[in-house]
Amino acid sequence: DAGVTQSPTHLIKTRGQQVTLRCSPKSGHDTVSWYQQALGQGPQFIFQYYEEEERQRGNFPDRFSGHQFPNYSSELNVNALLLGDSALYLCASSLAIDRGQETQYFGPGTRLLVL
Amino acid sequence: AQSVTQLDSHVSVSEGTPVLLRCNYSSSYSPSLFWYVQHPNKGLQLLLKYTSAATLVKGINGFEAEFKKSETSFHLTKPSAHMSDAAEYFCVVSDTGFQKLVFGTGTRLLVSP
Repeated sequence: DAGVTQSPTHLIKTRGQQVTLRCSPKSGHDTVSWYQQALGQGPQFIFQYYEEEERQRGNFPDRFSGHQFPNYSSELNVNALLLGDSALYLCASSLAIDRGQETQYFGPGTRLLVL
Repeated sequence: AQSVTQLDSHVSVSEGTPVLLRCNYSSSYSPSLFWYVQHPNKGLQLLLKYTSAATLVKGINGFEAEFKKSETSFHLTKPSAHMSDAAEYFCVVSDTGFQKLVFGTGTRLLVSP
């Protein structure tokens, strides 16, 4: 049973550039959530996708956008990168039918460094 | 808004001694609560979760947590620490509806021989 996978594992960008991170959910899951974890801090919720729609969004600017594909995989896009965007980006998947009781399973993350 | 407070940023124990990681929560509803563990340069692994069933929740690797509504606490314990338990531990509460997870600031567990 494949778990949550993310690519790439590491990425180095410069300020002003754009980046795309990818996530494949755990087999059978239909909901994908994205979190940003800055160094030494707990993860912060960015947004959640279900049925190819953004269902809920955290306190992140519009530079952060996403997409969910029919196969439930997802992308996180960040435009106009800032130094402060350097972080570990975590993807988590869950099953909508379990809403209210669901468990989110996390991938290993993509570490983004902005220079 | 729901939140969690992890009362210790660092906890140091000796191998074989008990572990206690403290967490208080704030919630307007009957919350779902979780403990996740993060080993260095790794993703997050679920240790256990509480979803209004039994108040004493058993998780993986010998960890357990007790939900105490009167104290708004969800402390994580383990009878005997192992070197492999050294990691960052996050107490998490889920928001209602779409299950946004709200993380605490984390507790780093150090285990010495």
